Amino acid sequence: QVQLQESGPGLVKPSQTLSVTCTVSGDSISSGGYYWTWIRQHPWKGLEWIGYIHSSGSTWSNPSLNSRVTVSVDTSKNQFSLKLSSVTAADTAVYYCARDSYSGYGGMDYWGQGKLVTVSS
Amino acid sequence: QSALTQPASVSGSPGQSITISCTGTSSDVGGYNYVSWYQQHPGKAPKLINYEVSKRPSGVSNRFSGSKSGNTASLTISGLQAEDEADYYCSSYTSSSTLVFGGGSKLSVL
Repeated sequence: QVQLQESGPGLVKPSQTLSVTCTVSGDSISSGGYYWTWIRQHPWKGLEWIGYIHSSGSTWSNPSLNSRVTVSVDTSKNQFSLKLSSVTAADTAVYYCARDSYSGYGGMDYWGQGKLVTVSS
Repeated sequence: QSALTQPASVSGSPGQSITISCTGTSSDVGGYNYVSWYQQHPGKAPKLINYEVSKRPSGVSNRFSGSKSGNTASLTISGLQAEDEADYYCSSYTSSSTLVFGGGSKLSVL
């Protein structure tokens, strides 16, 4: 059974870098050709796709966040990570990691439980 | 990229059928057969219920069916049940090789 679990600081100061890590169990992150995805959800709002990394290491990200987003993978720990720089209060959200099993076309069939990250001084 | 357009709310009675629309452009919904639908209950992570317009993941009820016409995709839920009350989101692949979500629709089962 594939499981994903987000971890990281729950509070980040404005202008700093937000970091969230997703630990994957039940599957090897370096095999299978999956797209390991980050999505966020602002409080009481809808979903926003942040970006993903393919098992080959290629990455894609939301143009509205492009210059601030870094998605990376650590195969030795079976983890992938999100870094979002120069954060503001508008980046306060629940951050989800997920596995896109359908060629990166939006079929995220396994999700973490979500990590609430608050940006505040 | 602009969010796909969904109705903010839909409602139906138990046993009825409802349809949720998801409208985009020729650069996303209309250009690709890569529309997915997600169900999200309060405080929970979203659950994939349809992908590639009309395919269902294993274990998802056949009461959930997807379709597409032009720039608009639709999710139909038949035989409405109380546990179907949730938020529903569509997503689409785009011509920029990215993904975009709809704003979400809150389904109330009356």
